[in-house]
Amino acid sequence: KAGVTQTPRYLIKTRGQQVTLSCSPISGHRSVSWYQQTPGQGLQFLFEYFSETQRNKGNFPGRFSGRQFSNSRSEMNVSTLELGDSALYLCASSSGQGRYEQYFGPGTRLTVT
Amino acid sequence: DQQVKQNSPSLSVQEGRISILNCDYTNSMFDYFLWYKKYPAEGPTFLISISSIKDKNEDGRFTVFLNKSAKHLSLHIVPSQPGDSAVYFCAATEALGYGGATNKLIFGTGTLLAVQP
Repeated sequence: KAGVTQTPRYLIKTRGQQVTLSCSPISGHRSVSWYQQTPGQGLQFLFEYFSETQRNKGNFPGRFSGRQFSNSRSEMNVSTLELGDSALYLCASSSGQGRYEQYFGPGTRLTVT
Repeated sequence: DQQVKQNSPSLSVQEGRISILNCDYTNSMFDYFLWYKKYPAEGPTFLISISSIKDKNEDGRFTVFLNKSAKHLSLHIVPSQPGDSAVYFCAATEALGYGGATNKLIFGTGTLLAVQP
């Protein structure tokens, strides 16, 4: 079974631009969650989608948004990029809720200059 | 407010010996705990999990122990191998009132394990 895939793997953007990251979950998984990893804040939850609905949201500004498609693939968007948005963005998929393991993709390394 | 804490930033162990990684939590609503291993510039890899109704779960060389009264869990790796060298994250999810649970993982800050040959 193929794992979680994320595209692109690396991205360089300029402050003020917007960016869209993509995630394809493990086949059959309907839950997709997004996380941000930075040296200062560690791994932080952004949001979770299940059956095309946002089910949970972390403490991030409204510039961070996401969506999920009917095939469970998910995208996250960051508008008006700031230098502090430079991070590794990770996507995780799960077959269920809560007491199910989440499997992570390799991440997208975003650098904002 | 760090709800999941890994107080040891790093740990060095000799190959073949036991590695013990510790994790403390403050939120009594956490009812499912997971350990992940992470290499730089890669996503975390799931290792082992434990439900709050258990106090031990074992999978090969990995064993997780949960002490609910102390709000403490630990990951034991026996025997440790050089390939185990990585950052280990403890994570927790929260039970919801209606009997469900959330997929929101709250991560600790990680412990860098170095296994010396």
